[in-house]
Amino acid sequence: QVTLRESGPALVKPTQTLTLTCTFSGFSLSTSGMCVSWIRQPPGKALEWLARIDWDDDKYYSTSLKTRLTISKDTSKNQVVLTMTNMDPVDTATYYCARSYSSSWLIIDYWGQGTLVTVSS
Amino acid sequence: DIQMTQSPSSLSASVGDRVTITCRASQGISNSLAWYQQKPGKAPKLLLYAASRLESGVPSRFSGSGSGTDYTLTISSLQPEDFATYYCQQYYSTPSPTFGQGTKLEIK
Repeated sequence: QVTLRESGPALVKPTQTLTLTCTFSGFSLSTSGMCVSWIRQPPGKALEWLARIDWDDDKYYSTSLKTRLTISKDTSKNQVVLTMTNMDPVDTATYYCARSYSSSWLIIDYWGQGTLVTVSS
Repeated sequence: DIQMTQSPSSLSASVGDRVTITCRASQGISNSLAWYQQKPGKAPKLLLYAASRLESGVPSRFSGSGSGTDYTLTISSLQPEDFATYYCQQYYSTPSPTFGQGTKLEIK
């Protein structure tokens, strides 16, 4: 049974750095083709893909946010970490981690429940 | 990035109705399209991939079609649990998948 769970602060101040952790079970990120993405959704708005890390440690970022994002993994702990620098109120959103079983076709078959991050002073 | 445009943005329908949602890509995506259903406060759920392949466990009243830049999601006979927001997503342009803006399906 595949599960993913996001954790991190619910509230961050503008200019601070956000660190989110995705803890997963039911699959291994060392399995060929496997990858984990971070996706966010501002309240009442659409989904936006942010970043992805593959089984072979390849990393990919949204073009518009790449200067602010870092993604990493700890395979032994079954965790993926996303950091986003210089947070702004427009970054207020629910942040999801999600799995794809193929890094060639980014079909997202499992999602975490999401964690709401509010950016406010 | 490939832009995905869904229409309509919202739709009112009744239980038993047949509904169709359209997704248009800014360039051809060779059937590399997935559809997700999202209910309030919940994560999206994968319904279809490769434009027309039903994910395991998804009811057969959901179907998808299309080619090139234009794709559709059809629900053949709406059930009460189908009222939700639906998103399309292209994965032709890896590593940067993009989503449509969503279609909110409401009860008439």
